[in-house]
Amino acid sequence: GEDVEQSLFLSVREGDSSVINCTYTDSSSTYLYWYKQEPGAGLQLLTYIFSNMDMKQDQRLTVLLNKKDKHLSLRIADTQTGDSAIYFCAESRAGYSTLTFGKGTMLLVSP
Amino acid sequence: NAGVTQTPKFRVLKTGQSMTLLCAQDMNHEYMYWYRQDPGMGLRLIHYSVGEGTTAKGEVPDGYNVSRLKKQNFLLGLESAAPSQTSVYFCASSYSSSTGFHFQAKNIQYFGAGTRLSVL
Repeated sequence: GEDVEQSLFLSVREGDSSVINCTYTDSSSTYLYWYKQEPGAGLQLLTYIFSNMDMKQDQRLTVLLNKKDKHLSLRIADTQTGDSAIYFCAESRAGYSTLTFGKGTMLLVSP
Repeated sequence: NAGVTQTPKFRVLKTGQSMTLLCAQDMNHEYMYWYRQDPGMGLRLIHYSVGEGTTAKGEVPDGYNVSRLKKQNFLLGLESAAPSQTSVYFCASSYSSSTGFHFQAKNIQYFGAGTRLSVL
């Protein structure tokens, strides 16, 4: 199976909360990341979490990490139409110089 | 700061033609990467470099070559373009982060805006 898996699509209404999920397989993952890609643009780092943390909050973004289940989630509160984008989960491992990305979740926010 | 700059932004090639994509970063980063993005496939790593004069193969290196003669530049070459190389190409750069045991584990990559390549 894939090293990092995400659901492909999520649709929400403006003002609702969005939750994007990610699972990974490698227990040696040390940092986990969320990137955002707007149409026609490159990826932009949203936030990241160290593997010994359970939660990280940054304004409207909340990252939850369940290391036992190897599950990462990104919650966006009060989702806006400008949040419509593709969201990528990624992991890094000690001793490696590369990231492993999921295939991305397309978030569509409707008015 | 410009960050990571990719040139060109768009290109159309005929099968068998060659071209070079240029990536330049002004953040003094050690690491640089080339990815391709295709629908339903996510990001796939082509080649990467952990320092000036070094290169390494990623997940999908066939048909591509790279060079890192200067720290700030990372070139991706297609010697004989094929339709299967139609894609969006992204360059990224990052710094190494040593935090004791987790040497080089934090890897925050900064991406360019992409090059859209069509091979006919």
